[in-house]
Amino acid sequence: SQQGEEDPQALSIQEGENATMNCSYKTSINNLQWYRQNSGRGLVHLILIRSNEREKHSGRLRVTLDTSKKSSSLLITASRAADTASYFCATYDAGNMLTFGGGTRLMVKP
Amino acid sequence: DVKVTQSSRYLVKRTGEKVFLECVQDMDHENMFWYRQDPGLGLRLIYFSYDVKMKEKGDIPEGYSVSREKKERFSLILESASTNQTSMYLCASSYRRASYEQYFGPGTRLTVT
Repeated sequence: SQQGEEDPQALSIQEGENATMNCSYKTSINNLQWYRQNSGRGLVHLILIRSNEREKHSGRLRVTLDTSKKSSSLLITASRAADTASYFCATYDAGNMLTFGGGTRLMVKP
Repeated sequence: DVKVTQSSRYLVKRTGEKVFLECVQDMDHENMFWYRQDPGLGLRLIYFSYDVKMKEKGDIPEGYSVSREKKERFSLILESASTNQTSMYLCASSYRRASYEQYFGPGTRLTVT
């Protein structure tokens, strides 16, 4: 069963704009991770945020976590055409498995 | 850099055939995983292994088995392929705990006719 649900399912923006994707989950977590998948390829890990952290940055990526609302957001600033991909959140709970959401398809138009 | 390789990028098999998908990682990771990815369903865990000869069922193990005889290699076996197993199969590995970041292979797109 899907633990994380991303919103929106699809997002189309112009190059240079910011892209925000949201993830909601259902149960308590140990950490939440974001991954990127280029079309037809494997996933690439972007960032991990632990349950006791509220915000984390990596380059043009900013992730926030609100455990009281069971939600996270991924912000990509100054987007580029190369950011076009699907983005997945994944949560790790005590069940020893990483559970992925359905993903957000991001298209960045040049 | 961690490298996870999968034996095939594309595979076409007939219904009833036995299918082997192989995954190899080169970073001495303890944990290895097999997922399938279908449109609208995201990634679903089939099996994972946290050590040689150890395996645990994921969310959808029915119709699949796995083998891990060596630390670097994790095989997914479809004992008798069916058309509903047509999917993208992704292998991943992680260091120490399953909570750590996972490194994925490029995927195998399997079509069962």
